[in-house]
Amino acid sequence: GQQLNQSPQSMFIQEGEDVSMNCTSSSIFNTWLWYKQEPGEGPVLLIALYKAGELTSNGRLTAQFGITRKDSFLNISASIPSDVGIYFCAGPNNAGNNRKLIWGLGTSLAVNP
Amino acid sequence: GAVVSQHPSRVICKSGTSVKIECRSLDFQATTMFWYRQFPKQSLMLMATSNEGSKATYEQGVEKDKFLINHASLTLSTLTVTSAHPEDSSFYICSAREKAAQYFGPGTRLLVL
Repeated sequence: GQQLNQSPQSMFIQEGEDVSMNCTSSSIFNTWLWYKQEPGEGPVLLIALYKAGELTSNGRLTAQFGITRKDSFLNISASIPSDVGIYFCAGPNNAGNNRKLIWGLGTSLAVNP
Repeated sequence: GAVVSQHPSRVICKSGTSVKIECRSLDFQATTMFWYRQFPKQSLMLMATSNEGSKATYEQGVEKDKFLINHASLTLSTLTVTSAHPEDSSFYICSAREKAAQYFGPGTRLLVL
């Protein structure tokens, strides 16, 4: 079945540094989604990518949908303490009508002020 | 836009009682909603897909008689944990699908004593 491999598993950085994380898959996805989850909260959608090669920004966040449709990266520039959380990549299952999401295992980000 | 609410945010109940959790899409209609469960430091685990006006589709290993799902309108899905036991204690999160993305509720923390 479809799987997403997300890396790195965790990151510990200094405030102001840039961050990069990525997801890869052995199968094609038609949509890539990046979420952030803070403790005790539901995931919040950061960026949605719908087209191969698409590069989209949301403030200090930038994400790209790989041209092969098998990978995506998320960059955070000039990190701040409130960027702390777990970042997940996800993509809708291509099979079936319900389009349930396939999830990466998450990247836990810690920012040292 | 694309706001999903969830109620209650946390609930404590005695073993053997039933607990109902509501999930509402506030500013859009959702024919499909999803119910997830999340254990500490783990990714979200899909329990079931809730379809408006029809029966829910449960993931393998999830007991449909234990986790009752009702999706009676385009903006409301409910999950009832019947005869709850301590092992049902977890963080339950719903999401609603709009186009290819899913928008999540803030989650419900369930503690069964």
